[in-house]
Amino acid sequence: GQQLNQSPQSMFIQEGEDVSMNCTSSSIFNTWLWYKQDPGEGPVLLIALYKAGELTSNGRLTAQFGITRKDSFLNISASIPSDVGIYFCAGQPSGSARQLTFGSGTQLTVLP
Amino acid sequence: GAVVSQHPSRVICKSGTSVKIECRSLDFQATTMFWYRQFPKQSLMLMATSNEGSKATYEQGVEKDKFLINHASLTLSTLTVTSAHPEDSSFYICSARRDMSYEQYFGPGTRLTVT
Repeated sequence: GQQLNQSPQSMFIQEGEDVSMNCTSSSIFNTWLWYKQDPGEGPVLLIALYKAGELTSNGRLTAQFGITRKDSFLNISASIPSDVGIYFCAGQPSGSARQLTFGSGTQLTVLP
Repeated sequence: GAVVSQHPSRVICKSGTSVKIECRSLDFQATTMFWYRQFPKQSLMLMATSNEGSKATYEQGVEKDKFLINHASLTLSTLTVTSAHPEDSSFYICSARRDMSYEQYFGPGTRLTVT
């Protein structure tokens, strides 16, 4: 099925650094969601975005719904070891039956 | 909260047998649930959309007779892998969508190994 273009594919950062990742699509999305998945677990919803231009925070996490409705980014500030995991963006394309399209994921490694 | 449970978390079965996986939304009703399959280091692949009281909608390439889905109540969907083969070994994850919302909440996943 359709995939979102998520980048970067992987990141290695030092503890305390800020992180940014993004997703882009060739089509318009009505909703953007960001999930984190730990090894052997299901994804956990971090942030949900519903309006173009919307900027939402959840603790050290901030995500924005792009004004063109074709992209979204997730920032993590002051990273800590437990931020390690795979981050997925997911979007609900305009006109779809409420199914989500997932990005390929960003593997984040935080070095002490 | 929005908690989704999945059972079993791990299962090992012999080739040719069937395995049932349960997905429950514990604190909300979910008319729609989804079943995904995930291969190592890859994203989630949607297998089917499960709708309470009606037939599931399968994605292209997913055999409906092999992956039987039943969504008999607003809090329970089951996935039965019939006549399992080693190539069916994978991580299966369900999600439940809160009614009137686009947000999906995922279960913890089931690791299926077919020997």
